[in-house]
Amino acid sequence: DVKVTQSSRYLVKRTGEKVFLECVQDMDHENMFWYRQDPGLGLRLIYFSYDVKMKEKGDIPEGYSVSREKKERFSLILESASTNQTSMYLCASSLGRASRYNEQFFGPGTRLTVL
Amino acid sequence: GQNIDQPTEMTATEGAIVQINCTYQTSGFNGLFWYQQHAGEAPTFLSYNVLDGLEEKGRFSSFLSRSKGYSYLLLKELQMKDSASYLCVLSGDTNAGKSTFGDGTTLTVKP
Repeated sequence: DVKVTQSSRYLVKRTGEKVFLECVQDMDHENMFWYRQDPGLGLRLIYFSYDVKMKEKGDIPEGYSVSREKKERFSLILESASTNQTSMYLCASSLGRASRYNEQFFGPGTRLTVL
Repeated sequence: GQNIDQPTEMTATEGAIVQINCTYQTSGFNGLFWYQQHAGEAPTFLSYNVLDGLEEKGRFSSFLSRSKGYSYLLLKELQMKDSASYLCVLSGDTNAGKSTFGDGTTLTVKP
């Protein structure tokens, strides 16, 4: 079974802090994604990556950056956390882009609170 | 999601059948996924449609009509554990490999 792990289930940070959220997948998937999920807004894509060192902006990239130095690891960085970044953050991976291969496997999520 | 419409909430009775509809406003996409998400947990895969028609998988079936811009998820013999949010997802509509998620339909199954 594919396993996607995230570094923390719960995180509390202060406004202005730099925050790192780590995601690791163990099935050699090409693609990795970062989403945030907020009540009434559904899942929104922040950034995604098709390959090592490659990244593409999603729908809401402002205030975030990402890093993919190794195929299995995709990091989300909040350069200067703000209260409106309080949310549930979900990492996902998929085998490929085409057709059924784009089934996404999700990590358990990180609930981030910014005070 | 801005291109996907699903009912926000539905309620059904244990043992019954429920149909969750999804309409979308895009002309090109690779396929359509349905995911299930229990409260406080991550989404998990339920079904995938690439061609028009019905895909059946145990108690769950999903239907797609590209010409009508319409999909539905059918859940039979409802169980209490089916209480969850159901997400309609378009794959590859704006970018190959990228998915657009609907806001989800929260289904409550009552005894």
